[in-house]
Amino acid sequence: DGGITQSPKYLFRKEGQNVTLSCEQNLNHDAMYWYRQDPGQGLRLIYYSQIVNDFQKGDIAEGYSVSREKKESFPLTVTSAQKNPTAFYLCASSIYRGGTGELFFGEGSRLTVL
Amino acid sequence: GQQVMQIPQYQHVQEGEDFTTYCNSSTTLSNIQWYKQRPGGHPVFLIQLVKSGEVKKQKRLTFQFGEAKKNSSLHITATQTTDVGTYFCAGLGGSNYKLTFGKGTLLTVNP
Repeated sequence: DGGITQSPKYLFRKEGQNVTLSCEQNLNHDAMYWYRQDPGQGLRLIYYSQIVNDFQKGDIAEGYSVSREKKESFPLTVTSAQKNPTAFYLCASSIYRGGTGELFFGEGSRLTVL
Repeated sequence: GQQVMQIPQYQHVQEGEDFTTYCNSSTTLSNIQWYKQRPGGHPVFLIQLVKSGEVKKQKRLTFQFGEAKKNSSLHITATQTTDVGTYFCAGLGGSNYKLTFGKGTLLTVNP
């Protein structure tokens, strides 16, 4: 079955540690996105990529980094510079570049920093 | 930057009552999308509206896109317990190629 796989589903880390969240898609989609969701908030865009080896900052990129070395993979690193990293992280992909067309979301990764 | 405001933030209804959530953008949108997120789940795409004044229906759900392409609404007729969840709108505006999500409306339905 085609889809987006995020791992791990739950992650606990100590303050000051970098964490990498995995996102893999087998939908052959060009565009991939990382969103952060906090309680009572909408989805805020962290980074997005429309093509391999290219990515752009979203609205809240500070303290995060990404790479897009393969079309199917878009990992997100939450660095120690992120001041409030505890959140629900959602990866998404779209067949179309440019923001049109539906987003397919993974099941999310819930990060808790102790 | 582009802002998308969504109201109400919460809505509690009795099963069988209607429900409406509204979305307003600070800028003209190229398109608007709607998503539903069940409690504990991930957002799932419902629909995309592109044309000015567009109205689309999916069974009990009616979606509208305003004439000025700056506002949109989702109306659910005769809610059911399966409608429970958070409904998000997301607008694409300008040339930045990224969707801006509203904060969502959490719908709870009393059986």
